[in-house]
Amino acid sequence: NAGVTQTPKFQVLKTGQSMTLQCAQDMNHEYMSWYRQDPGMGLRLIHYSVGAGITDQGEVPNGYNVSRSTTEDFPLRLLSAAPSQTSVYFCASTREGASNYGYTFGSGTRLTVV
Amino acid sequence: AQKITQTQPGMFVQEKEAVTLDCTYDTSDPSYGLFWYKQPSSGEMIFLIYQGSYDQQNATEGRYSLNFQKARKSANLVISASQLGDSAMYFCAMREANRGSTLGRLYFGRGTQLTVWP
Repeated sequence: NAGVTQTPKFQVLKTGQSMTLQCAQDMNHEYMSWYRQDPGMGLRLIHYSVGAGITDQGEVPNGYNVSRSTTEDFPLRLLSAAPSQTSVYFCASTREGASNYGYTFGSGTRLTVV
Repeated sequence: AQKITQTQPGMFVQEKEAVTLDCTYDTSDPSYGLFWYKQPSSGEMIFLIYQGSYDQQNATEGRYSLNFQKARKSANLVISASQLGDSAMYFCAMREANRGSTLGRLYFGRGTQLTVWP
């Protein structure tokens, strides 16, 4: 099925460990984003990309790295996990252009850092 | 400044009644899109309805309608004939069309938790 695929769905990390959250889309969307969702905070933008080789920071980028070597993939790296990064992470993609094109979301990754 | 404001952390409605979830937005971009998403307890984000800044008519999708008041910068979601399955978190979001470096970004409110009771 076409859409946004996120892996893993659940992850528990120890403080200081590193990991990569994977995100892939097969809709040839130019724009891809990573959000984190915390209770009472809505979804906050971590990093986003407007195309292969181009990334930029969102509202809460500290502690996270991204790269976009292909149109399809947009992995999110936690270099040294901290308990404050316990959250639900969503990857989303959309087409370039007019504002009327909605976003497609992945199913989310629930991350716990202990 | 908040781009999207949802002032109702929680709302309760009886089954079969209508409910309005509030959303106000802030932008100076003349071209923008407004979205509502539903997030049930299972966690996925489900697109409900879209309203464009140049649309003359209020958007409708089945039991969902969007009360768009451009001058007041509000985009309230109306759910008619509520069902138990409507219990979920609801997010209002906005995408601006012509904002340079923010192009393509989606701004979210903090959400409203709707509970439908029998």
